[in-house]
Amino acid sequence: DIQMTQSPSTLSASVGDRVTITCRASQSISSWLAWYQQKPGKAPKLLIYKASSLESGVPSRFSGSGSGTEFTLTISSLQPDDFATYYCQQYNSYSTFGPGTKVDIK
Amino acid sequence: QVQLQESGPGLVKPSQTLSLTCTVSGGSISSGGYYWSWIRQHPGKGLEWIGYIYYSGSTYYNPSLKSRVTISVDTSKNQFSLKLSSVTAADTAVYYCARDRGLGEFWALSHWGQGTLVTVSS
Repeated sequence: DIQMTQSPSTLSASVGDRVTITCRASQSISSWLAWYQQKPGKAPKLLIYKASSLESGVPSRFSGSGSGTEFTLTISSLQPDDFATYYCQQYNSYSTFGPGTKVDIK
Repeated sequence: QVQLQESGPGLVKPSQTLSLTCTVSGGSISSGGYYWSWIRQHPGKGLEWIGYIYYSGSTYYNPSLKSRVTISVDTSKNQFSLKLSSVTAADTAVYYCARDRGLGEFWALSHWGQGTLVTVSS
């Protein structure tokens, strides 16, 4: 199984901050990685697929990068709507998700 | 815009079979091009992919659940279903159905149902 880890597990930030979340895979997954945003009581929302491709309708302040085993999700200027939990998902070998990173208000 | 809606019992007894249905509106499963998935989320925890099905009936399951999972499709009703056998308390979770974004990206899940909580308890 490919294990996914995320850091940090919790991140406290302010509106306007640049935020970076890291996701690491236990083995190379090429660029087969997606990022999701989830708010309490809601289904996850796809933000990024294939490591760096922005899903239609997602604001351009979200970006993804990386390949192999290390990936990042960056929010260039945090907005009030962005306080949520973020999950990475690998799909090189079936699919597994990371444990999540909660972004809360500083 | 395609919409998905899960339905099924919210309470299942241990050792029994959990059965859920996902009804799709705004798009036809039989038109092809998309994979239809089930994912679950244990209370306060992360996400676990269960499996997917294509309109033709071909399936792919999470190896850790494969022995207990069956996903089926009913194109006449525009629905797909999940059965999970021999459930225990560890199967208590919110269950989501989802569809991929298409264009070959069948793991990137762009459309989700609202989720349904299934509790396993006697």
